[in-house]
Amino acid sequence: EVRLVESGGVVVQPGGSLRLSCAASGFIFNDYAMHWVRQAPGKGLEWLSLITWDGRSTYSADSVKGRFTISRDNSKRSVYLQMNSLRPEDTAFYYCAKDRGAAAGFDYWGQGTLVTVSP
Amino acid sequence: QSVLTQPPSVSAAPGQKVTISCSGGSSYTGNNYIFWYQHLPGTAPKLLIYDNDKRPSGIPDRFSGSRSGTSATLGITGLQTGDEADYYCGTWDGDLSVWVFGGGTKLTVL
Repeated sequence: EVRLVESGGVVVQPGGSLRLSCAASGFIFNDYAMHWVRQAPGKGLEWLSLITWDGRSTYSADSVKGRFTISRDNSKRSVYLQMNSLRPEDTAFYYCAKDRGAAAGFDYWGQGTLVTVSP
Repeated sequence: QSVLTQPPSVSAAPGQKVTISCSGGSSYTGNNYIFWYQHLPGTAPKLLIYDNDKRPSGIPDRFSGSRSGTSATLGITGLQTGDEADYYCGTWDGDLSVWVFGGGTKLTVL
């Protein structure tokens, strides 16, 4: 069974930094690209970042480019999202999602972790 | 800028059929596969349709997807109260190297 478990969501002050983690199990982790997606309160889903299976290539939405960095450690079956210069509008549930291959759409998602950016 | 447009809400009675549209801009061609996701707040989103019209294993055939030009449609027949959720279309924009979601459609089963 594919399982993705996000962690690291907390309350953080504006301008602060945070690293989210996503632990994967139930599939050959280093065969697949991985993504981060978020949903702000009352808003729709927003794609954030993609990392290829080998970690050599990453792609990000303009809204987070330069502030958020996706990375992965295949030996730990984990993907990460380093978030810097956090803003109140970054408050959201953050989901990691498994790609069907390489930029081929997400087939499994985690339950999400809540990040709140507030003074 | 890539945009996928969905109606904000749709509704229908139990047992009826509903369709949700997803319209892309002029940048979308037949090479952009459309995906559909169901999202119940507080839970993990679920893949319903991939590659325009394919269902993953475990998704009942009440759910269907179709594609015509730059538009796609999700169909749900035999509506159940458990189908009440938000539905999102999405696609990978190979030109911009970004994933794009539609704004989401809230389905109410009256």
